[in-house]
Amino acid sequence: DTAVSQTPKYLVTQMGNDKSIKCEQNLGHDTMYWYKQDSKKFLKIMFSYNNKELIINETVPNRFSPKSPDKAHLNLHINSLELGDSAVYFCASSLRTSGGGETQYFGPGTRLLVL
Amino acid sequence: DAKTTQPPSMDCAEGRAANLPCNHSTISGNEYVYWYRQIHSQGPQYIIHGLKNNETNEMASLIITEDRKSSTLILPHATLRDTAVYYCIVRGTQGGSEKLVFGKGTKLTVNP
Repeated sequence: DTAVSQTPKYLVTQMGNDKSIKCEQNLGHDTMYWYKQDSKKFLKIMFSYNNKELIINETVPNRFSPKSPDKAHLNLHINSLELGDSAVYFCASSLRTSGGGETQYFGPGTRLLVL
Repeated sequence: DAKTTQPPSMDCAEGRAANLPCNHSTISGNEYVYWYRQIHSQGPQYIIHGLKNNETNEMASLIITEDRKSSTLILPHATLRDTAVYYCIVRGTQGGSEKLVFGKGTKLTVNP
C-alpha cells in the first residue's frame, strides 16, 4: 500500500536526451510537488500543483516541464538533459487545509545520473 | 533561504533521549514549525509539527518556546534507526500551497 510512488527509481542517461519521471499518490491528496536534492544534499522545491493547476514554479529552467494528468499524478519531463541535472528528484503530496498545518508525504526518490 | 538555524551534527547514545534544537527567531505568527527527517538514501519523512503549543505523537515531542523563536525536537528513546538528518522547517505559503524550505539540518548519529 505505497502512499507516494515514483518510477523509475534509477535513471542513467546521456546528455542531450529527453526523459520523464512519474509520480503517483494514492492518499487522496490534492496537491503534489517536485523537489530536487543535489550532490550537496540540499533539498529544494521545484514545482507544486494543486488540483492539476501549477501553483509554485521556483525559477526552474524551462527544460523541465511538469504535467499533472489528474490529482493523483504529477510527472516531470526533462528535455535536453545536462550534467547539472544529475540529482535525486523527490515527489511529494499533501492535502490542502484551510487552517494550515498540512503535512507533505514524500516518495522514495528517483536518482538521475546524466553522463 | 531557510528561516531556521540548527547545529550541523549531534551524537546520542542508544536508549537515551535525543534533544535537537532549532532557532527560528523571524517566525511569523501564523507560521508552523515542522520537523522532517531523512534517513540515508530515503525520501524525507514527516515527524511532527506545531504552532504554539507543545506537541507529542508516537515518534517524538516538540517543545516550542513561549516567544516561538526556538523549538526542540525530542526523541525520547533514540534507537540506531533514528540516525538521520533532521530538518526543522518554518512553513512558508505561496499561492495557498505549502512550500517547505529545507536548510542543512542536523545530522544525528545514534551510537550503540
